[in-house]
Amino acid sequence: EPEVTQTPSHQVTQMGQEVILRCVPISNHLYFYWYRQILGQKVEFLVSFYNNEISEKSEIFDDQFSVERPDGSNFTLKIRSTKLEDSAMYFCASRPITDTQYFGPGTRLTVL
Amino acid sequence: GNSVTQMEGPVTLSEEAFLTINCTYTATGYPSLFWYVQYPGEGLQLLLKATKADDKGSNKGFEATYRKETTSFHLEKGSVQVSDSAVYFCALSYFLPRQLTFGSGTQLTVLP
Repeated sequence: EPEVTQTPSHQVTQMGQEVILRCVPISNHLYFYWYRQILGQKVEFLVSFYNNEISEKSEIFDDQFSVERPDGSNFTLKIRSTKLEDSAMYFCASRPITDTQYFGPGTRLTVL
Repeated sequence: GNSVTQMEGPVTLSEEAFLTINCTYTATGYPSLFWYVQYPGEGLQLLLKATKADDKGSNKGFEATYRKETTSFHLEKGSVQVSDSAVYFCALSYFLPRQLTFGSGTQLTVLP
């Protein structure tokens, strides 16, 4: 069964460094999402992406964040200058035309 | 704004016990409602969903009924197994925009 994959599973970085989190959505899906979950808190929506552009974003998704679908298979989340409060589990999701989103296993980001 | 409230965890049950995890929501209009499950080390998986009032979603012995009058979508299972140990997330989304709004998650542990 097709699944969403994410790499790396765990990323450790120093504050102020740039990180890129990578996702490979399910191949025939059209809509792509990033969510995050700070330890002990709710899963929060960051951004949605359709037809090569951002369709919705939350107030969390400020200028430090960007998304890209560089090659038709990968979907990346970049954080330009990481802060301590960016430490969280980041989930990628994709969906076809229906309303069911399929999630990847997540990348745990630790900012030191 | 929209929000989802889940019962506080963790929940610990013996095998074959009855499970209820409460979920209530605050939203305008008619959102779709979902239960996602996260097994250890894995991503969020859709467990069941309901798209309109009085719909019952069911899967793997789990059920939840969309109750608009009480704005609830409680998850139930008649006889839990050790393999049901996981974190359960209640969520909602609208047709537009499609991003999910999650509850805080409920950790379920089933003991043999």
